[in-house]
Amino acid sequence: ETGVTQSPTHLIKTRGQQVTLRCSSQSGHNTVSWYQQALGQGPQFIFQYYREEENGRGNFPPRFSGLQFPNYSSELNVNALELDDSALYLCASSSDSSTDTQYFGPGTRLTVL
Amino acid sequence: GQNIDQPTEMTATEGAIVQINCTYQTSGFNGLFWYQQHAGEAPTFLSYNVLDGLEEKGRFSSFLSRSKGYSYLLLKELQMKDSASYLCAVSPNTGFQKLVFGTGTRLLVSP
Repeated sequence: ETGVTQSPTHLIKTRGQQVTLRCSSQSGHNTVSWYQQALGQGPQFIFQYYREEENGRGNFPPRFSGLQFPNYSSELNVNALELDDSALYLCASSSDSSTDTQYFGPGTRLTVL
Repeated sequence: GQNIDQPTEMTATEGAIVQINCTYQTSGFNGLFWYQQHAGEAPTFLSYNVLDGLEEKGRFSSFLSRSKGYSYLLLKELQMKDSASYLCAVSPNTGFQKLVFGTGTRLLVSP
């Protein structure tokens, strides 16, 4: 158990809809990162939040956005869903050090029809 | 650019030793991580290397050579529960925490 939780576990949406995924980090961890993992692939970095500010972003379009709250919870929002957005979405929490280990939540499986 | 390579699939027998290799090319280097991921589950942390050499942790060991851009994960006394995907990930020196993952190596342990 990593102490990182995510909700919902599974979600089915249709193309064009919007979705919000939630994550609760380990207590004391000020950094949360989000990753997208397509079937059979490694996780791809979406973005990272540190103390409620985005401080790094991967190669994902602006329709992927996020929020981090003071209570160690965070959200990933995806607008205008596309079929290729179907994937496992993982959040990972870590403390402040740039070399600190990231601990992953169980993920949300998103299916876009 | 950034590139992480590892074999797609490996098979081994219970009780044996297996070595999973990972080569990387990144614009910077701030450490290399190995994670284990069972099907449908979250990646779980196994090891972290930032200096050259071998890090041993029970049945699992990880080796790093920064000059060669190479790492391996060594699993000893294999058990059936070790059947999983093993992900190699590099932290580039980007000024913030970001992991660049390989596609993962699926290990199948048979009796």
